Amino acid sequence: QSAVTQPASVSGSPGQSITISCTGTSSDVGSYNLVSWYQLHPGKAPKLLIHEGSMRPSGVSNRFSGSKSGNTASLTISGLQAEDEAEYYCCSYAGSDTLVFGGGTKVTVL
Amino acid sequence: QAQLVQSGAEMKKPGASVKVSCKASGYIFTSSAVHWVRQAPGQGLEWMGWINAANGNSIYSQNFQGRVTFTRDTSATTAYMELNSLRSEDTAVYYCARGAITVIMGWGQGTLVTVSS
Repeated sequence: QSAVTQPASVSGSPGQSITISCTGTSSDVGSYNLVSWYQLHPGKAPKLLIHEGSMRPSGVSNRFSGSKSGNTASLTISGLQAEDEAEYYCCSYAGSDTLVFGGGTKVTVL
Repeated sequence: QAQLVQSGAEMKKPGASVKVSCKASGYIFTSSAVHWVRQAPGQGLEWMGWINAANGNSIYSQNFQGRVTFTRDTSATTAYMELNSLRSEDTAVYYCARGAITVIMGWGQGTLVTVSS
């Protein structure tokens, strides 16, 4: 399975906006609008933030938004808050009923 | 409210097998896929595969093909993940999660599997 690349870390000050990229290939991210994003706090189960590229489940703050261009999907967190400090993972459908996760990005709120 | 409750932590020796259970409640068990994902210490999430809870068919990641088996018991609304020929690199938190083929929506609490001699 292909590797999906995320930056190891991203940081921002409270109130700022940050964007996390998720770069795949034409076999996964580029071929399907089926990227989801998850938030992980230490010791807790992952939480779905975005699915199908830009859809927010009920209960997820509208400060989280997703987009895609070519082989790269992106998660933007606007109005950064202390509680947003966590790890973030993208996950793309990769064909043949398989999924692939990105390597994860640690977000630090300065 | 949909919930997945996993079995407790396991400690195994290299070469052994481990079987993790995942009890589902609050939704129609056979209407969703059950995915399995792991996270080794200091590492990222790794997708292992999924089982169709309705018919029992499974898709496995190439990284685990031949070493992992997913099963389910519809009467008990429980899914299982068995990993064989354990090695130290299999030490990780293993998650079950419900969803569709293309998205994982809700996660269990995770099961720590430690492989050590």
